[in-house]
Amino acid sequence: DTGVSQNPRHKITKRGQNVTFRCDPISEHNRLYWYRQTLGQGPEFLTYFQNEAQLEKSRLLSDRFSAERPKGSFSTLEIQRTEQGDSAMYLCASSFKPYEQYFGPGTRLTVT
Amino acid sequence: QKEVEQNSGPLSVPEGAIASLNCTYSDRGSQSFFWYRQYSGKSPELIMFIYSNGDKEDGRFTAQLNKASQYVSLLIRDSQPSDSATYLCAVSTGGFKTIFGAGTRLFVKA
Repeated sequence: DTGVSQNPRHKITKRGQNVTFRCDPISEHNRLYWYRQTLGQGPEFLTYFQNEAQLEKSRLLSDRFSAERPKGSFSTLEIQRTEQGDSAMYLCASSFKPYEQYFGPGTRLTVT
Repeated sequence: QKEVEQNSGPLSVPEGAIASLNCTYSDRGSQSFFWYRQYSGKSPELIMFIYSNGDKEDGRFTAQLNKASQYVSLLIRDSQPSDSATYLCAVSTGGFKTIFGAGTRLFVKA
């Protein structure tokens, strides 16, 4: 049984650098979500894909963030010109039924 | 006012007792309600979902929904030390966005 996988699991970068994270959803799941979670808070919605279409994007997401899901399979989340405030756990989730989401292990980003 | 509110805890209960976790939400249009469990350093795990008013039971877990009061709760019967975790309440209004609360930390004492 393969769940949602994310790579890398940890990323340390210097302020101003670009970073890219990858998410591989459960194979039959056509819905994919990205969240950001900081210590003591719940996951914060970033964006949603249904197949290859990005159907919703949080207003909290600045222009420095972009996500893609080519061919409706894996997804990437890129952060350009990273800032210290971007330090967080970035979580990917996928689902077959609406909203019943299954999370990956996350990518922990540290911006120094 | 936060969209989804939970008491941060910690809620401490003895082993074998019933743990009661509560959540309120602000959007009356909310349609779907979820409880996730998150162990320290791990990602959230879906444990219960409920769409209609009333109770829904699954093993030791019961979710309760009262849309008129905008209130969702999770009861854990026969609590075990392995239930010690943060419990996240999540709400969806029918779009694609799910709003999570900040979570309640539960500690079950052996």
